[in-house]
Amino acid sequence: GENVEQHPSTLSVQEGDSAVIKCTYSDSASNYFPWYKQELGKGPQLIIDIRSNVGEKKDQRIAVTLNKTAKHFSLHITETQPEDSAVYFCAANPYSSASKIIFGSGTRLSIRP
Amino acid sequence: DGGITQSPKYLFRKEGQNVTLSCEQNLNHDAMYWYRQDPGQGLRLIYYSQIVNDFQKGDIAEGYSVSREKKESFPLTVTSAQKNPTAFYLCASSILTSGVSNTGELFFGEGSRLTVL
Repeated sequence: GENVEQHPSTLSVQEGDSAVIKCTYSDSASNYFPWYKQELGKGPQLIIDIRSNVGEKKDQRIAVTLNKTAKHFSLHITETQPEDSAVYFCAANPYSSASKIIFGSGTRLSIRP
Repeated sequence: DGGITQSPKYLFRKEGQNVTLSCEQNLNHDAMYWYRQDPGQGLRLIYYSQIVNDFQKGDIAEGYSVSREKKESFPLTVTSAQKNPTAFYLCASSILTSGVSNTGELFFGEGSRLTVL
């Protein structure tokens, strides 16, 4: 079955700097890679996603890149702000089926003022 | 507002007691899910349901039970058989369609934190 590894588990960056979170997956059948953000005391919320037929996707300050050959994908946050502090989860699932989604273990991102 | 409502937000249970967590959604989604979240372990699927009166076990179903009598509701019972029930529980829902156009985006509730005393 699918296995998703996420690094680092914690990340602290200066406000205004960039943050990068990396994930690898094992199942070559996975074709959809969402990223969820979980603020303190809340449920996760989808912030960006990418399909296997696309190499990069951007949405304002966040971007996701996908390398299908190497089976890894990354989240990039530029010009970090205090509200970016949260736990971020990568995920992978095949067949666009939410019941098959496998989550990474999460990265706690802290933004230093 | 459309969304998913979980209750209670915090719950304390004595060992040996069953406890039921509520999850209601008004998004008209067919599929609903229960996840367990432990520190450093991501989200693990307990049970999911794609249609009323039907549900399937996820990766860690032992010690849990669910029902799906209405499309809007998917309660989770943590039974006394669950050896380590202290955790943060998340309910989610999604559209259920097949094909490349469906991303399977999950919409989560705010969670219920269960502590066993």
